[in-house]
Amino acid sequence: SQKIEQNSEALNIQEGKTATLTCNYTNYSPAYLQWYRQDPGRGPVFLLLIRENEKEKRKERLKVTFDTTLKQSLFHITASQPADSATYLCALGDTGRRALTFGSGTRLQVQP
Amino acid sequence: ETGVTQSPTHLIKTRGQQVTLRCSSQSGHNTVSWYQQALGQGPQFIFQYYREEENGRGNFPPRFSGLQFPNYSSELNVNALELDDSALYLCASSLTSGPTYNEQFFGPGTRLTVL
Repeated sequence: SQKIEQNSEALNIQEGKTATLTCNYTNYSPAYLQWYRQDPGRGPVFLLLIRENEKEKRKERLKVTFDTTLKQSLFHITASQPADSATYLCALGDTGRRALTFGSGTRLQVQP
Repeated sequence: ETGVTQSPTHLIKTRGQQVTLRCSSQSGHNTVSWYQQALGQGPQFIFQYYREEENGRGNFPPRFSGLQFPNYSSELNVNALELDDSALYLCASSLTSGPTYNEQFFGPGTRLTVL
């Protein structure tokens, strides 16, 4: 069955450093991959989408890579700030069905 | 442009009862998806509605049912509630075309507790 793995342990980093979060998947050939941010008690907020034929996508301080051979995506936040502290969810989708399959998320804590 | 809204924000029910959760999609969005998110887990897809028809369903039993109305708002109904149904229920709306195609816009969720 399809499986998406994100580091279940919280990632603690110092302000100003680059945070790197990992998303690995098996038994899936997604057409695209998305990253969402979720704050406690709130719904996820869309950050970035990357398609299967794209290697890298950037938006301001965010960068996503997508390696369909390794079946892995990396999500980077450069010059991290305490306000970036949240849970980050990876989600896979295909063209046939617009429902997303989510990982369990990684909690990021940026220390001032 | 109004975002996705959900009601109620919190709900407490007992086992065996029935519940109805409501969602208003973002203006102009014709597709609504429902997700269940247990504590510490990612959202799990329940089903999706497009133009008032169910357009895909996840691995949830038939006691989870839904509706979409002509104004694209939606309801999620859960019958015969079980303790494991306690979760955050998220509604997400999206478009079927355009630059934000494939992005899902989530509401704040309804926290359901089953005792």
